[in-house]
Amino acid sequence: LAKTTQPISMDSYEGQEVNITCSHNNIATNDYITWYQQFPSQGPRFIIQGYKTKVTNEVASLFIPADRKSSTLSLPRVSLSDTAVYYCLVGDPNQGGKLIFGQGTELSVKP
Amino acid sequence: GAVVSQHPSWVICKSGTSVKIECRSLDFQATTMFWYRQFPKQSLMLMATSNEGSKATYEQGVEKDKFLINHASLTLSTLTVTSAHPEDSSFYICSARDDRRLITEAFFGQGTRLTVV
Repeated sequence: LAKTTQPISMDSYEGQEVNITCSHNNIATNDYITWYQQFPSQGPRFIIQGYKTKVTNEVASLFIPADRKSSTLSLPRVSLSDTAVYYCLVGDPNQGGKLIFGQGTELSVKP
Repeated sequence: GAVVSQHPSWVICKSGTSVKIECRSLDFQATTMFWYRQFPKQSLMLMATSNEGSKATYEQGVEKDKFLINHASLTLSTLTVTSAHPEDSSFYICSARDDRRLITEAFFGQGTRLTVV
């Protein structure tokens, strides 16, 4: 399973756009990129998933360059409630769904 | 969206006793479920893959005789921490994917906080 590297922590202010970049140099052809959010003492929650180019949903956008060796999660206009740990994961959903979590990025949003 | 429910949400037990944690997929079937543990300020660590109707697959370093996993139906997997000790105190989380959907996210339970005293 491809290993991912993310910044350990990031700080932001309410209303700003936050971009968290993840490196996954060894991503395989069948791997998808998925981002999860986790609040303290809760299970991770799915944010967005993509394979290439750009994916957007109601909460975030995911940018994936052509070589797929990295990806960037973009959170528009963050609020205090977006303070959480964000995990980038890479894996092949057709291979049973096993997910290996990296260290994650602890995002702190300040007023 | 799909829901995975864990029970109990928290449990306190005495050293030497066993504790069972349940993981249920409420509105989908999951042939495979996963169990993780998470220590404070750390990431989730995959413990084992639970397979319906067959033996679980454990990650390296995880004692299968201590962490018993049973996946008796397509909607229920259980993790039993046997002869629990204080060092087993942790946050245990399960996840599952919907068998009907090939490309989908994993759904996580809300977690179980285990404290062994």
